[in-house]
Amino acid sequence: KNEVEQSPQNLTAQEGEFITINCSYSVGISALHWLQQHPGGGIVSLFMLSSGKKKHGRLIATINIQEKHSSLHITASHPRDSAVYICAVMRVGSQGNLIFGKGTKLSVKP
Amino acid sequence: NAGVTQTPKFQVLKTGQSMTLQCAQDMNHEYMSWYRQDPGMGLRLIHYSVGAGITDQGEVPNGYNVSRSTTEDFPLRLLSAAPSQTSVYFCASSWDRAAKNIQYFGAGTRLSVL
Repeated sequence: KNEVEQSPQNLTAQEGEFITINCSYSVGISALHWLQQHPGGGIVSLFMLSSGKKKHGRLIATINIQEKHSSLHITASHPRDSAVYICAVMRVGSQGNLIFGKGTKLSVKP
Repeated sequence: NAGVTQTPKFQVLKTGQSMTLQCAQDMNHEYMSWYRQDPGMGLRLIHYSVGAGITDQGEVPNGYNVSRSTTEDFPLRLLSAAPSQTSVYFCASSWDRAAKNIQYFGAGTRLSVL
C-alpha cells in the first residue's frame, strides 16, 4: 500500500464548480505539501501545512493530523485550474525528503 | 531571480551512453534533490544533498551519481544509460532540510534512452 494516497485519480468539472481533492497518508508527518503540475510539466508549490487551514485566492488547503488526511479545495473553478495536483508528505525524522502521491488530474471544462 | 534551472530540457541517448543533467539554483538553498517521474507513479527521490560536500541516496539511486561541490550546483550523472532510465527528471531545492520549507522545482528534463 502506498504511504500517500490521493483521490480521485481523475476529475472532470464544469467551470464554476467547487472542487475537492483528497490526500490520505499512513506515516507520521511533520508537514504536508500540495503541488500543482501544469500541462507543460512544470511543478509549483501551492501550500505547505502542518496543521489547520491555509487559503490563497480560490485555493484552500486543510489538514487533520489525527485522521491523517488533507484536502485541497478550489472554489469557482476555471479552465486554467486544469492541472495535476500532487500531495506530498515529509515524514517525521526525515532529512527533508518528501513522499509523493500519484497525483489527481483535474480538467475544468468551460 | 532565475530560481532552479535545469538543462537540458530534452535529451535522447543510446543505451550505454553517459550524460550529466545539470541543476543550478541561485537562492542559496542548502537542500537539493533529484526526482524522477514515471507514468502512473509519484515522484521518486533519486539522490539528495543537505549542503555542499554532502550527498545521500534516495529511493531509486541505482545507475545515478551525484556530487555537490558548490551550494549552487547539483549535477546528476548517468554513467551508462539504460532504457529503464527513460523518464522525466526534476531537480528541486529548499532552504533547509530540518525546517518545513517550500520546495522549488526546476522545469524538468525529459530523457529518452533508446
